Amino acid sequence: DQQVKQNSPSLSVQEGRISILNCDYTNSMFDYFLWYKKYPAEGPTFLISISSIKDKNEDGRFTVFLNKSAKHLSLHIVPSQPGDSAVYFCAAGNTPLVFGKGTRLSVIA
Amino acid sequence: DAGVTQSPTHLIKTRGQQVTLRCSPKSGHDTVSWYQQALGQGPQFIFQYYEEEERQRGNFPDRFSGHQFPNYSSELNVNALLLGDSALYLCASSLARLAGPPGMLETQYFGPGTRLLVL
Repeated sequence: DQQVKQNSPSLSVQEGRISILNCDYTNSMFDYFLWYKKYPAEGPTFLISISSIKDKNEDGRFTVFLNKSAKHLSLHIVPSQPGDSAVYFCAAGNTPLVFGKGTRLSVIA
Repeated sequence: DAGVTQSPTHLIKTRGQQVTLRCSPKSGHDTVSWYQQALGQGPQFIFQYYEEEERQRGNFPDRFSGHQFPNYSSELNVNALLLGDSALYLCASSLARLAGPPGMLETQYFGPGTRLLVL
């Protein structure tokens, strides 16, 4: 039973365009959500987070949107850069964190 | 400022053996969580240590055990290794949030992981 789902295993975007990564969750008790980025041979790197009391959080090129009624969150990257190519994990909860399976983003120059 | 470090980076063991993985948390952090990431999956929570005690545990058998030392570093031990234990083992550190607004979590910072192969 997957509580956090990232239904797109991969995504390709042209450099300079917007990347939108999606995540759905089933547990309405989740009150904190995070996005991590992972390069090969490295551990996940924290990117951005959002509390359930907000519906948007922005940090530079990265914005996370939370729709609690739909149990859906998304990560927008604008503009996308080749260095953004990585696997992106959505995580939810408090302790413990529950992760999705990840979406591999490829930004094409 | 040293981040989370893990050792060793890679390890090869045979079925039935035992393994110990080590983690040093980020400076100033007092909580260590361990995750297992199988190929093509997201990290799965094993357990979390705070104040040298296991605070929470995921759905992993008793073959998986841990320890936290007074300097906040931690070990993950796996006994009677199975082929299915082959995975990337990630350690994450954070600062325990004992008070504050509900819904907030101290962000967990991950180490580079230890890749374990069981033959």
